[in-house]
Amino acid sequence: AQTVTQSQPEMSVQEAETVTLSCTYDTSENNYYLFWYKQPPSRQMILVIRQEAYKQQNATENRFSVNFQKAAKSFSLKISDSQLGDTAMYFCAFMKHTATGDMRFGAGTRLTVKP
Amino acid sequence: EPEVTQTPSHQVTQMGQEVILRCVPISNHLYFYWYRQILGQKVEFLVSFYNNEISEKSEIFDDQFSVERPDGSNFTLKIRSTKLEDSAMYFCASTNRQGGSYGYTFGSGTRLTVV
Repeated sequence: AQTVTQSQPEMSVQEAETVTLSCTYDTSENNYYLFWYKQPPSRQMILVIRQEAYKQQNATENRFSVNFQKAAKSFSLKISDSQLGDTAMYFCAFMKHTATGDMRFGAGTRLTVKP
Repeated sequence: EPEVTQTPSHQVTQMGQEVILRCVPISNHLYFYWYRQILGQKVEFLVSFYNNEISEKSEIFDDQFSVERPDGSNFTLKIRSTKLEDSAMYFCASTNRQGGSYGYTFGSGTRLTVV
């Protein structure tokens, strides 16, 4: 079974600074997908960024980028120029390359951006 | 931007009662999912649904639960004989990509409170 571990229950960062959220996962699969989802106080789950395991290049989406280390099974999220609106729970998620695509989530990291 | 719509946003029910949580996925999406999040805990996979049948289900999704796509637009989760521990946020999600490799679109969730 796949497991996803987020070892930082809570983090804080000053506005405009950079913060990195950690995620590790355990799998015997070679082909899979990784995601970061953001859950603000509204509780909606919002896709931040995705990474395909067969791509070596790290994904980037504006201020969000990942450091994907396949051998180490590590998938960290870097948020640059943090904004107050980035305050949220962040979930790392793993998905096998299957037809059905069920996603497995980590426990989450609560990020607070301080003014 | 298309949305996944869930109703109601909050439901309170007596223990032992049946509840139906409703979801309207994005219209051209073909793969549908239910997840739940017990307060303060991780998001857990319940079930995936494609081509009018369950594709995969977790150990949580036992005989107490059922899903249905009754009319081609709604996607429902029925919970029979609710228990206190069924209290959680229930998220519906959909995708038009096989295996959800581009990530899901989640609804805003239904908060179920069993009293």
